[in-house]
Amino acid sequence: GESVGLHLPTLSVQEGDNSIINCAYSNSASDYFIWYKQESGKGPQFIIDIRSNMDKRQGQRVTVLLNKTVKHLSLQIAATQPGDSAVYFCAETFTSGTYKYIFGTGTRLKVLA
Amino acid sequence: DAGVTQSPTHLIKTRGQQVTLRCSPISGHKSVSWYQQVLGQGPQFIFQYYEKEERGRGNFPDRFSARQFPNYSSELNVNALLLGDSALYLCASSLGQGVNQPQHFGDGTRLSIL
Repeated sequence: GESVGLHLPTLSVQEGDNSIINCAYSNSASDYFIWYKQESGKGPQFIIDIRSNMDKRQGQRVTVLLNKTVKHLSLQIAATQPGDSAVYFCAETFTSGTYKYIFGTGTRLKVLA
Repeated sequence: DAGVTQSPTHLIKTRGQQVTLRCSPISGHKSVSWYQQVLGQGPQFIFQYYEKEERGRGNFPDRFSARQFPNYSSELNVNALLLGDSALYLCASSLGQGVNQPQHFGDGTRLSIL
């Protein structure tokens, strides 16, 4: 089947290790940030979000860190599993505007057995 | 509960033709957005509709148009198709505008232009 992100940056990690996926966002006025996971042939799936008044938020096995000073976002996945293999996108938006999402270029995560 | 549903899943058209893509949002969601995803890239914003009105438009030509119906479903129309319109077209829904709630995406319509 067709694959998303054929030429995207790739992060390869061993099963069970932690993964860190980084994203630089573009607009200093953005106030809401979201991480999505996209598997081949599927639409983006919501993972976790964070508002600009926070610098860290934790979910199940995932943590998002926000550094507004350098406009940087990261997604940490604990104990990476084969099912985590996918392309990961960060998205930013300014909720007082048109609420359009601006997506980053994406990172392909490969989990090695 | 059903997620965002899009139809058709795949479509093949030729240059110059017109196409209509359809989207049903999650029940209770009043905002629908459309995105174009070219292979190897992140989704690019096309339109946002909220309460049946266009609330945002991305950098796409006038060949692209959309509308939202009273039941909050939406259609994306593309006229005079070009080879470069080949992409995955994604629909996303959310509760409303200006709300810190994530957009939820359907699995898209894969449009191929020959």
